[in-house]
Amino acid sequence: AQTVTQSQPEMSVQEAETVTLSCTYDTSESDYYLFWYKQPPSRQMILVIRQEAYKQQNATENRFSVNFQKAAKSFSLKISDSQLGDAAMYFCAYLGEYGNKLVFGAGTILRVKS
Amino acid sequence: EPEVTQTPSHQVTQMGQEVILRCVPISNHLYFYWYRQILGQKVEFLVSFYNNEISEKSEIFDDQFSVERPDGSNFTLKIRSTKLEDSAMYFCASRKSRDTINYGYTFGSGTRLTVV
Repeated sequence: AQTVTQSQPEMSVQEAETVTLSCTYDTSESDYYLFWYKQPPSRQMILVIRQEAYKQQNATENRFSVNFQKAAKSFSLKISDSQLGDAAMYFCAYLGEYGNKLVFGAGTILRVKS
Repeated sequence: EPEVTQTPSHQVTQMGQEVILRCVPISNHLYFYWYRQILGQKVEFLVSFYNNEISEKSEIFDDQFSVERPDGSNFTLKIRSTKLEDSAMYFCASRKSRDTINYGYTFGSGTRLTVV
């Protein structure tokens, strides 16, 4: 079974600075998808960024980018120019190529200091 | 942008009571899901539903749980006899297709269930 590990329960960053959230996963599949979801205090799950495992190029979405290391099974999220609105719980999630369910990590609480 | 709507946003129920959590997925979506998040813990898959039947369920989804799509628009999760440990945030999600490249999940805002 696939597992997703987020080893940082909590992170802090100064406004306008850059922060990196870590995620590792375990799978025997060769093709799959990885996601970062943001969960603000409202508790809604918001998709931040997605990476297809067959793509070598790291995904980027504005201030959000990932460092996808397939061999190391690592999928970190970099947030540049951090804003107060980035404060939230961030979940890393895995979906197999033919999978039906998302497998989530335990989450990382990100605090942004002004 | 289309949304997945969940009602109620918060429900308090007595232990042993039945509770129904309601979701209205996006209208042209075909795959429906329930996930659960116990406070401070990870989000866990409960069940997936396609073509009017359960396509996959987790160990958590025991006989106390059931899902239904009664009228072609609503998607409900029923807990027959709630326990204290059922207290959690329940998320409904839907997607149009299992073609993940083109169609991702859309999550609802969740229903916070408190069992007292």
